[in-house]
Formats: sequence, structure tokens, C-alpha cells
Amino acid sequence: SAVISQKPSRDICQRGTSLTIQCQVDSQVTMMFWYRQQPGQSLTLIATANQGSEATYESGFVIDKFPISRPNLTFSTLTVSNMSPEDSSIYLCSTRFNSQETQYFGPGTRLLVL
Amino acid sequence: QKEVEQNSGPLSVPEGAIASLNCTYSDRGSQSFFWYRQYSGKSPELIMFIYSNGDKEDGRFTAQLNKASQYVSLLIRDSQPSDSATYLCAVNNPGAGSYQLTFGKGTKLSVIP
Repeated sequence: SAVISQKPSRDICQRGTSLTIQCQVDSQVTMMFWYRQQPGQSLTLIATANQGSEATYESGFVIDKFPISRPNLTFSTLTVSNMSPEDSSIYLCSTRFNSQETQYFGPGTRLLVL
Repeated sequence: QKEVEQNSGPLSVPEGAIASLNCTYSDRGSQSFFWYRQYSGKSPELIMFIYSNGDKEDGRFTAQLNKASQYVSLLIRDSQPSDSATYLCAVNNPGAGSYQLTFGKGTKLSVIP
């Protein structure tokens, strides 16, 4: 597996603002995934980001709230827009390598919205 | 609605014992099954994956799969305090091109020294 990094590792934000989270992989990958893990909960897939196409969002998540960019095969961003305290969560990016189904996760971004 | 069910625990076992973690899934078409370990404040780390019925062993870990019963388990032999973590079961979604995973809520394991 390759190395996956995320920035920022944590942040405290005011309600109504937006935060962009970056995910960098040290090798080229086709699919990148963005998950949310709310306190005490499991992982919920927000969207799948493929390079060169629009992200595919899961039920309950919309592009206006969570816009995603995928400018190349090693990088993606997730923006959490117009934040409220309910957006306080850990946001994780993950990817697959070499057509394997196994997903590997970045270290996560811990977001607290006040 | 695809579901992956796990007992939330906490599951407490003494050091050196066998910890048994269980998971059931609803989609009979699922083909790939994964166990992740998540330490508090950290991201999930892959422990094992299994595709075929039966047992798969890797060191102190054994994954067991029974597709007929839609059941997958993880056994940890000679449990160590460092194994204390939340264990997440994940199952692929065949209807979504098989690359998406559905995660259970996790079982919190505590290994008592």
C-alpha cells in the first residue's frame, strides 16, 4: 500500500464557515473515497471521487454541502460548507490500489464546529 | 438497505485468551469481507480480508467466513493489551460495482492485563 496523507489533521471552526480538507496519495490511484465518522459511530461513505468525472454522492450527501475536487490521480479535496455543530466529525479519505478491493485510509481530519 | 451488524461490546478478555469478534451482513451477494482495527483517535487499519468460505489465518488473527449464514468472524489468539481497540467489519457492495464498502459500527475490545 502507498502512503496517504491528509491536511489539516484537526481544526476548530465557527458555524457558517467552510473548511477544505486535502488528501494526497503518493502513487496514482483511480478511486478515492471520502468518509465521515461521527463520534461513537462507524464510517459513512460521503462520496466517491474519480479523476476526470464528477464525484458520486451517497444518499443524504449533496454536492452543495460537500463539494469535492479530483484534479489528478494523486490528490482530492473535500469541502465542508456552511458548517454547523452537526458537522463535527472525523473526515477520512481512502483509496484502493491496483484494482484490489481493499481500501486503505488516511490519518483523518478531526473537525469541531462551534 | 445494506446492513452490517456487530455487537458494540465492550468485549473484555484477559491477556492471553482468545477474543472472538462477530459480524453478520444482509446482502447475500457480497463477496469480499474485511476487518479493520481502529485505535482511539486513529484511522482504521486493515487487519485481514477474506473472500472464500472457511478460515484464513495470519499470525495471531484468523478470519472465518460462512456465506450461507452470512456471517464473518475474527479470532485473536493470545490477546495482548495492545489489541485493545475497536474492530470494524466491512463488506463490499456488489450492486455498486463491488468497490464500495459498508461498515459495521464496530466492536470495542478490551484486553485486561
